[in-house]
Amino acid sequence: DAGVIQSPRHEVTEMGQEVTLRCKPISGHDYLFWYRQTMMRGLELLIYFNNNVPIDDSGMPEDRFSAKMPNASFSTLKIQPSEPRDSAVYFCASSYTGRSYNEQFFGPGTRLTVL
Amino acid sequence: AQSVAQPEDQVNVAEGNPLTVKCTYSVSGNPYLFWYVQYPNRGLQFLLKYITGDNLVKGSYGFEAEFNKSQTSFHLKKPSALLSDSVLYFCAVMGRRALTFGSGTRLQVQP
Repeated sequence: DAGVIQSPRHEVTEMGQEVTLRCKPISGHDYLFWYRQTMMRGLELLIYFNNNVPIDDSGMPEDRFSAKMPNASFSTLKIQPSEPRDSAVYFCASSYTGRSYNEQFFGPGTRLTVL
Repeated sequence: AQSVAQPEDQVNVAEGNPLTVKCTYSVSGNPYLFWYVQYPNRGLQFLLKYITGDNLVKGSYGFEAEFNKSQTSFHLKKPSALLSDSVLYFCAVMGRRALTFGSGTRLQVQP
């Protein structure tokens, strides 16, 4: 398996523009997580899905952020409109509940820069 | 709510010496604890986890971690540090399937 795939790897945009980050989880995994990493706040959970259904979105910073998972093999995180403070590395991770408390597998991340 | 503390931003150790990266946790109920490593410009990679059972957990690349319930700690250890171990380490606790991470500790192994 290729692991968790994220695209793009780097995104540079201007304030006010819409940004869409994409994630393909590992096949067969039923949990998908979106995290954000910044120097100031470290790694923080934004939202996670189970079987394509959002379970907890309490970490989504504000209404400008939205996430979808239309099927088991694809998820998007959208920021509209983007702001400079959204600049961060965004990670997608997936896991499988065949056994309880399995480790999460992380993608390489998308480095977002909002000018 | 659960939380994790990594009290050291950086740990310096000489090559070949044993290393310890500290982690303490706070959680209601049974703790499910993880260590991840992050290489430059890459996502996190799983090292090891404690769910239940033996307090000494062995993981990848010669790392191990000791769970101590009375001290609420889950320190990462390795008997002999390699130069290639010089990366960023994250401790995490699981609650309702999602992970809460510590702030990370950068390990610097010196020749």
